Amino acid sequence: GNSVTQMEGPVTLSEEAFLTINCTYTATGYPSLFWYVQYPGEGLQLLLKATKADDKGSNKGFEATYRKETTSFHLEKGSVQVSDSAVYFCALTPSYNTDKLIFGTGTRLQVFP
Amino acid sequence: NAGVTQTPKFQVLKTGQSMTLQCAQDMNHEYMSWYRQDPGMGLRLIHYSVGAGITDQGEVPNGYNVSRSTTEDFPLRLLSAAPSQTSVYFCASRIAGGTGELFFGEGSRLTVL
Repeated sequence: GNSVTQMEGPVTLSEEAFLTINCTYTATGYPSLFWYVQYPGEGLQLLLKATKADDKGSNKGFEATYRKETTSFHLEKGSVQVSDSAVYFCALTPSYNTDKLIFGTGTRLQVFP
Repeated sequence: NAGVTQTPKFQVLKTGQSMTLQCAQDMNHEYMSWYRQDPGMGLRLIHYSVGAGITDQGEVPNGYNVSRSTTEDFPLRLLSAAPSQTSVYFCASRIAGGTGELFFGEGSRLTVL
């Protein structure tokens, strides 16, 4: 079946540190991949996406590259800010059914000044 | 800029009671969906709809009913609430087809005693 696996949290960093949140997936065919972010007390918001192998999604200083060979879509940011503290969800949409978005369990990021 | 509006934001029920979670969107999105969010489980799809009069089941549909009589509204009904349905519920919408961004409501926290 289709699934997404994310690294356990929380991830705790100091401001300006480098961030990596690992995400790997299992899927048939060529899924589309997403990162969503949930700030405290809010719904989820799309952060970035990639729809084919080797695509790089980017937004607000965050980046992730769709790696078909390693079935990964790791989220990175060169210098985190306190305002980046949130829960980050990796997700995929199967190529054969784009009506279903399948989420990972989420990774909480805490950034301290 | 209302976007996706969910009501109520908080609700406490007793086992066996029924209730409806309301969801409305003003973006003329054809696709609407309901997710539940539980600790350590991420978000799981309950039901979704690709247009008025059309609904389908997600990963965890048991115990929930939906209908879609208009493009704007997609209510989620619990006919006989159980403690296992204690969760945070999110409604989300997007344009039809493909891999477009899902727009989420702020969530409804339901506790079943």
